[in-house]
Amino acid sequence: GDSVTQMEGPVTLSEEAFLTINCTYTATGYPSLFWYVQYPGEGLQLLLKATKADDKGSNKGFEATYRKETTSFHLEKGSVQVSDSAVYFCALSSANQAGTALIFGKGTTLSVSS
Amino acid sequence: DTGVSQNPRHKITKRGQNVTFRCDPISEHNRLYWYRQTLGQGPEFLTYFQNEAQLEKSRLLSDRFSAERPKGSFSTLEIQRTEQGDSAMYLCASSLETRGTEAFFGQGTRLTVV
Repeated sequence: GDSVTQMEGPVTLSEEAFLTINCTYTATGYPSLFWYVQYPGEGLQLLLKATKADDKGSNKGFEATYRKETTSFHLEKGSVQVSDSAVYFCALSSANQAGTALIFGKGTTLSVSS
Repeated sequence: DTGVSQNPRHKITKRGQNVTFRCDPISEHNRLYWYRQTLGQGPEFLTYFQNEAQLEKSRLLSDRFSAERPKGSFSTLEIQRTEQGDSAMYLCASSLETRGTEAFFGQGTRLTVV
């Protein structure tokens, strides 16, 4: 079945460092891809999305490009801030999945220190 | 912006008791999802409604679990004869009926079975 694999954390960075969180997926057809973020004590929030190959999603300085050839959707940010500390989830929504329910990776915890 | 609302936020119950959670989705959203999230894992799909119809249930949803969405508005998730393994965060999300559209999540109900 469809699945998402993302790099295990925690990821610990200093402020202004470059961030990459790897995400690969397995899916039949052409899924939509998402990154969700969960800040401490808060619910999941959509960070960015891409709905077709070669699309680039971006928000708040984060970017991810839908790469069909490598089945990847890696999250990047050029300069992280302490406020970016959170858990990041990669997810897919497959046309083959009933109701376009999301399939999530296990999450990657990011900790940024000043 | 009322967002997705879940009640209660926390529930502690004794093993064997029944519990019920409520989710109020964003008013114009016709799709409603329930997910379960355990520590260190991403959310896992439980069940999904389109309007008032429950269209799919995950294998994770045992016979002790039941969900309803009367009149296509709020939804309830009931767990009967709770077990310690039911301890988790129960998340509700809602979305519009459009492929690739984002799902908006509530803050979840944390269930602890003692």
